[in-house]
Amino acid sequence: DAKTTQPNSMESNEEEPVHLPCNHSTISGTDYIHWYRQLPSQGPEYVIHGLTSNVNNRMASLAIAEDRKSSTLILHRATLRDAAVYYCILSKKTSGSRLTFGEGTQLTVNP
Amino acid sequence: AAGVIQSPRHLIKEKRETATLKCYPIPRHDTVYWYQQGPGQDPQFLISFYEKMQSDKGSIPDRFSAQQFSDYHSELNMSSLELGDSALYFCASSSPILRFNEQFFGPGTRLTVL
Repeated sequence: DAKTTQPNSMESNEEEPVHLPCNHSTISGTDYIHWYRQLPSQGPEYVIHGLTSNVNNRMASLAIAEDRKSSTLILHRATLRDAAVYYCILSKKTSGSRLTFGEGTQLTVNP
Repeated sequence: AAGVIQSPRHLIKEKRETATLKCYPIPRHDTVYWYQQGPGQDPQFLISFYEKMQSDKGSIPDRFSAQQFSDYHSELNMSSLELGDSALYFCASSSPILRFNEQFFGPGTRLTVL
């Protein structure tokens, strides 16, 4: 399975944008890029996913490199509630695929 | 909106005892996943079910078994409990009809083995 690499931790200030990087140099053509986050004492929560094109939703934006070997999750205005561990996960095209959590990025948001 | 329900939320057992964790997926979701998260660790996939059949199996010990019932709820049965089984157990559900492979996680069951 293709692996992802993320920084262990990042810090941001409240109301500033946050760019969370993820490297996945061995990604295959059928791998979707998913982002989940886990707030303290909660189950993981879906954030966004994409295949080749950049994606936007109400929570975040996902920028995918042209060669798909890296991606960046963008939180446009970080809030204190965005403090969480963010996981970049590759998942096969088939529905029902397991999520393989690697070592995500612990995001700290400073007031 | 309805979410994934897990019960119990907390469970304390002694070594060598058995435990049963229950998961009630979001209505109309037909796929259930189980994940284990040890202290300070990342969630690890255990097993999944689609339409009451096992669809995928991860690093689930032989002492554990699981099934999905006709109403789509799932149970994770754990026997001969060991100290190392102390962890958060998350259940997630999804439906191929809805967003692609988006998994909705429950609040988890915290199992403590003494």
